[in-house]
Amino acid sequence: QKEVEQNSGPLSVPEGAIASLNCTYSDRGSQSFFWYRQYSGKSPELIMFIYSNGDKEDGRFTAQLNKASQYVSLLIRDSQPSDSATYLCAVNDDRTGANNLFFGTGTRLTVIP
Amino acid sequence: NAGVTQTPKFRILKIGQSMTLQCAQDMNHNYMYWYRQDPGMGLKLIYYSVGAGITDKGEVPNGYNVSRSTTEDFPLRLELAAPSQTSVYFCASSYSGGLLNEKLFFGSGTQLSVL
Repeated sequence: QKEVEQNSGPLSVPEGAIASLNCTYSDRGSQSFFWYRQYSGKSPELIMFIYSNGDKEDGRFTAQLNKASQYVSLLIRDSQPSDSATYLCAVNDDRTGANNLFFGTGTRLTVIP
Repeated sequence: NAGVTQTPKFRILKIGQSMTLQCAQDMNHNYMYWYRQDPGMGLKLIYYSVGAGITDKGEVPNGYNVSRSTTEDFPLRLELAAPSQTSVYFCASSYSGGLLNEKLFFGSGTQLSVL
């Protein structure tokens, strides 16, 4: 059984600051890692994916992956109140070949104006 | 192009009742999924399908059944509803599985309460 662990928060940061969200996973064979954002009462939406060690940047978002430490993180620079949401870390279950994802419980982020 | 459509959005069931949650996608996606999300928790996979006529169990399949007679539709059936099935249910789809970086498209969710 894969396990994906996240700090549930809540994490509060002031507007303009860097928000750092962390995730660890149990299966060393995992290859694909995803960050989904979920606003309250809404469905998750994909914001970042990463599969190689190192950093991947997309606008204000940077995903970081360290497979040796089984650790993936998401940095949000210049945080905005609109970034306030729950961020879900997800890991691909490669055994099924069906792109099944194992999700963490999510970290709730609040950006304070 | 509506994406993934789920109905109903809200439903209250009595213990022991049955119902079907509907899910349809118009993106010609092969892969479809049902997840449930309990309050303050992540998503748990109930069932998935890799194509018409093919379904398989996920992490938490007990108490549910699915069918996939067409590419577009993937209904989830609850038989003998129990309070433990109170949750938000999300249907999702993707073009194919087994490839890196494949994106899931989610429906808007069904909030189900079993009382």
